[in-house]
Amino acid sequence: DTAVSQTPKYLVTQMGNDKSIKCEQNLGHDTMYWYKQDSKKFLKIMFSYNNKELIINETVPNRFSPKSPDKAHLNLHINSLELGDSAVYFCASSQAEHTEAFFGQGTRLTVV
Amino acid sequence: GNSVTQMEGPVTLSEEAFLTINCTYTATGYPSLFWYVQYPGEGLQLLLKATKADDKGSNKGFEATYRKETTSFHLEKGSVQVSDSAVYFCALSDSGTASKLTFGTGTRLQVTL
Repeated sequence: DTAVSQTPKYLVTQMGNDKSIKCEQNLGHDTMYWYKQDSKKFLKIMFSYNNKELIINETVPNRFSPKSPDKAHLNLHINSLELGDSAVYFCASSQAEHTEAFFGQGTRLTVV
Repeated sequence: GNSVTQMEGPVTLSEEAFLTINCTYTATGYPSLFWYVQYPGEGLQLLLKATKADDKGSNKGFEATYRKETTSFHLEKGSVQVSDSAVYFCALSDSGTASKLTFGTGTRLQVTL
């Protein structure tokens, strides 16, 4: 009965590869997000979707492409991975705009 | 733009000590304010929230009051436990902008016996 679930939890890959992270929420929320947490624990918004529509794209390289097939899913595809992409990526959802967000467990991406 | 400033960590306390983690913010609209906690190896969990001035959020012995006049939302707990050791994030969501959380840098709390 996990509320926001991400897969995989850990991802180790080589530079130049393409990878995807999947996210699903079973809370019936309308808004979903991707956040990036760097090595110093700083969290920054990457994308937000409301009812499958992109609302925020916060100066993220276009190698990152979110896809929302339905309200309950928001996947993140990353092309041509670089060393600097290594981080923890968190998916989150909220009932409505400006309400509290519920976070997944995170995906630790390591690019070698 | 919006920003959140938290006190630098780490904060090291003995069990049963009083905790304060300072948080101040700047926002263009009327923000809602949140404290999230991240335990080692886990995701973020909402600890408490306040949506308007003078609201007090509370949970698990933690409290924070939304102070518009000082643009602050300081986190307090009267008696910390070893199990409170975690990273604490102050965050805001501003009604004047698209929905997203703006986070502070996080404050690591270490509680020892």
